Amino acid sequence: GAVVSQHPSRVICKSGTSVKIECRSLDFQATTMFWYRQFPKQSLMLMATSNEGSKATYEQGVEKDKFLINHASLTLSTLTVTSAHPEDSSFYICSAKRDTYEQYFGPGTRLTVT
Amino acid sequence: EDQVTQSPEALRLQEGESSSLNCSYTVSGLRGLFWYRQDPGKGPEFLFTLYSAGEEKEKERLKATLTKKESFLHITAPKPEDSATYLCAVVQGAQKLVFGQGTRLTINP
Repeated sequence: GAVVSQHPSRVICKSGTSVKIECRSLDFQATTMFWYRQFPKQSLMLMATSNEGSKATYEQGVEKDKFLINHASLTLSTLTVTSAHPEDSSFYICSAKRDTYEQYFGPGTRLTVT
Repeated sequence: EDQVTQSPEALRLQEGESSSLNCSYTVSGLRGLFWYRQDPGKGPEFLFTLYSAGEEKEKERLKATLTKKESFLHITAPKPEDSATYLCAVVQGAQKLVFGQGTRLTINP
């Protein structure tokens, strides 16, 4: 149990366009979902925390208007990178938790902005 | 400030050569220490949760232990498929995880 999927796994987009990444908990209902960003050979950096039906809580320094998070149900959260630029290129990973502290991670999405 | 420090940054072992990875933590009120495995280009895979000093958990060739200041991930007779980055994390605040920088483990055949 505790399987989390992400779609797409890889996306290439042009500068100025928007990209949506989906995160789904497949076999459990997630009370909370998280979005992380990871640069090469670095650890995970938390971007935001989202609970179903409420506004996401963003970490300091993360632009809310650039990284839009929607948590429409207990099994689905989406991250939209708006007006993407090359510096937004990164590995984005979501995670989900139930009623304990363990977070279960998705496989990640590699975003490349050209 | 809550902090997690992992050592070494990188470790190369021969197949069958046992060793340990260290995770030192500073947190006000430990609510859980987690170990994850991350392969290149993939999301972290959950391994263990430890809640209190003295607790131990095992899975195949891996064994995680916890004291009041640090956790160890012992790997016994590792195989090449154990090569990965191992991440340690603690709970911060209500539910966030604070991660260490990870240990890149390479097992040579």
